[in-house]
Amino acid sequence: EVQLVESGGGLVQPGRSLKLSCAASGFTFSNYYMAWVRQAPTKGLEWVASITNSGGSTYYRDSVKGRFTISRDNAKSTLYLQMDSLRSEDTATYYCTREGNFNYGSPDYWGQGVMVTVSS
Amino acid sequence: DIQMTQSPASLSASLEEIVTITCQASQDIGNWLAWYQQKPGKSPQLLIYGATSLADGVPSRFSGSRSGTQYSLKISRLQVEDPGIYYCLQGYSAPYTFGAGTKLELK
Repeated sequence: EVQLVESGGGLVQPGRSLKLSCAASGFTFSNYYMAWVRQAPTKGLEWVASITNSGGSTYYRDSVKGRFTISRDNAKSTLYLQMDSLRSEDTATYYCTREGNFNYGSPDYWGQGVMVTVSS
Repeated sequence: DIQMTQSPASLSASLEEIVTITCQASQDIGNWLAWYQQKPGKSPQLLIYGATSLADGVPSRFSGSRSGTQYSLKISRLQVEDPGIYYCLQGYSAPYTFGAGTKLELK
């Protein structure tokens, strides 16, 4: 059974840093692109960043470029999101997602989400 | 960036009714379009990928179609478990963009 379990969320002050982790199981992690998607309270879904299966290429939305870093450790089957210089508008539930291999890259599995609150 | 204009923002329908939700892409995205359902407090669930292909385990009353840059999600006979928020997602080019969502309620 595919499982994605996020951790590392919490309350953080503006300008500070936080690192999210996503432990994957039930599939060969190194074979899949992965992504982070977020959802601000009562708002819609917003793609944040993606990473190729080898970790050799990464992609970001403009609003997080230069502040967030997506990475992975294939030996540990873990995805990360390092978030620096956090802003109040980064407050959201962050979902770890697996991008499917044979479905136009659509995220086919999602974690339960982890809440990040940026506030003084 | 590619914009995804989703409509309607909300709708109310009766059991067994046919429901259609649409997304208009601001440029050609081919079949790089997926649909998701999200229920309150839950993670989104993939319904349709490649514009028209049904994801594993999704009931056959859900279907997707494409006409040019307009994409539609149809629920052929609305069931009690179908209310929620539905989103489209374009995966053609980064930044990948979601529609604003359609809140579907039972009448």
